[in-house]
Formats: sequence, structure tokens, C-alpha cells
Amino acid sequence: TQLLEQSPQFLSIQEGENLTVYCNSSSVFSSLQWYRQEPGEGPVLLVTVVTGGEVKKLKRLTFQFGDARKDSSLHITAAQPGDTGLYLCAGARGGSNYKLTFGKGTLLTVNP
Amino acid sequence: DTGVSQDPRHKITKRGQNVTFRCDPISEHNRLYWYRQTLGQGPEFLTYFQNEAQLEKSRLLSDRFSAERPKGSFSTLEIQRTEQGDSAMYLCASSPSGTPGEQYFGPGTRLTVT
Repeated sequence: TQLLEQSPQFLSIQEGENLTVYCNSSSVFSSLQWYRQEPGEGPVLLVTVVTGGEVKKLKRLTFQFGDARKDSSLHITAAQPGDTGLYLCAGARGGSNYKLTFGKGTLLTVNP
Repeated sequence: DTGVSQDPRHKITKRGQNVTFRCDPISEHNRLYWYRQTLGQGPEFLTYFQNEAQLEKSRLLSDRFSAERPKGSFSTLEIQRTEQGDSAMYLCASSPSGTPGEQYFGPGTRLTVT
């Protein structure tokens, strides 16, 4: 059972377009992380959100954590070819172990 | 740069051989995690250390797998009698005690079992 569902699975857009990717779950998370991964490399942490309703901005990227801490979205404004990569969301349940549960990711391609 | 490092980056081995991977976490991080990632999937949790104590192991971690973190610093992951199904990217991550969900990953070790 995939606890975190990401959509869309694939997204191909032109440079300059805006996009939103989604991360949904029926489970509550104590924190949610977004990562970007390039082929053959480890995931690179973009942001951590911990409070329901929290919005964080990182240059052209806007991250939102759902009020119930079950879902999240990533919005990219004016996408650039350098934004190409696999975007992964990962939730931590908390308690004594903060192991991350990952979605399958959204593979984004930004064409020049 | 003092990010997470992993060695080797790539390993090709024949079925039945033993392999060992090393992870050096960010120095001030007391939590260390191992994950495995196969093609088209997100990383899956394998095991977790807080300092030198191994506190949880996934059911994915069969008896052929063992991990250690002897002095609470670097960690090793050993796979004995490798099988083709062990082929994957093995990722190590570390996190600080204050924000343990905020995990920083190394570049991974790509294992290919032939």
C-alpha cells in the first residue's frame, strides 16, 4: 500500500510555464519533506514543513502543507530547464523514529 | 562541504558474493538512516540508528543484511550472499536531533548483482 500518492506521475512542460504537483495521503504526518532527485544521485532536500497550513517559498518554488497535515503541494512559477528532475515528497510520522515514507515521485521535464 | 558521503558510488558483484557499503553522515547529526531505492520507486526505509544504537529494522532487511554504526559516527551496510533482487540504489541519510524528519541524503551506492 502506497501511503503517499503523488500526481501527476509525469509532467512535461515548456520553459516559462507554471505547474503544481500534489502529494496526498490518508495518514497524518508530523512533518513533510520535498526532495528533488537527478538520475544516479541521492535526493536533495528542498524544504521541510511541519505546521498544518504552512506555506514556504524557495525562490520560484512554493510549498504548502495541508491544514490536516495529510497532503502537500509544490508550485513552480516560470519553470526553467534546470528544474527538470524527479520531485519526491516524504512524510515522517514522528514518535521515536522519524523514518520517511516516500511517494513514487513526479518526473518533471522542462523543455527549452 | 560536509555533506553525507557514501562509498563506493557503484558496485558490481556476482550473485553469492558479499558486499559492504560505507556511509559518513554529517558530523553533528546523531541519527542515521539507510534506504533502498529501485527503479521507478521512491526510497524505502531499511534501518535507523540513533548514535550507535540500531533502533529499528524494516522487514525488507532480511537476515542477509546487517548494519552497524560502531562509534556513532560512520555506518556500514553489509549484504551477504547477494541475489539479483538486491540490485538497487542504497541511500544513506542523516538528520539532526532537533528536526529528525529533515533528512539529508548522500549520493547513494548503486549495486548491480549479475
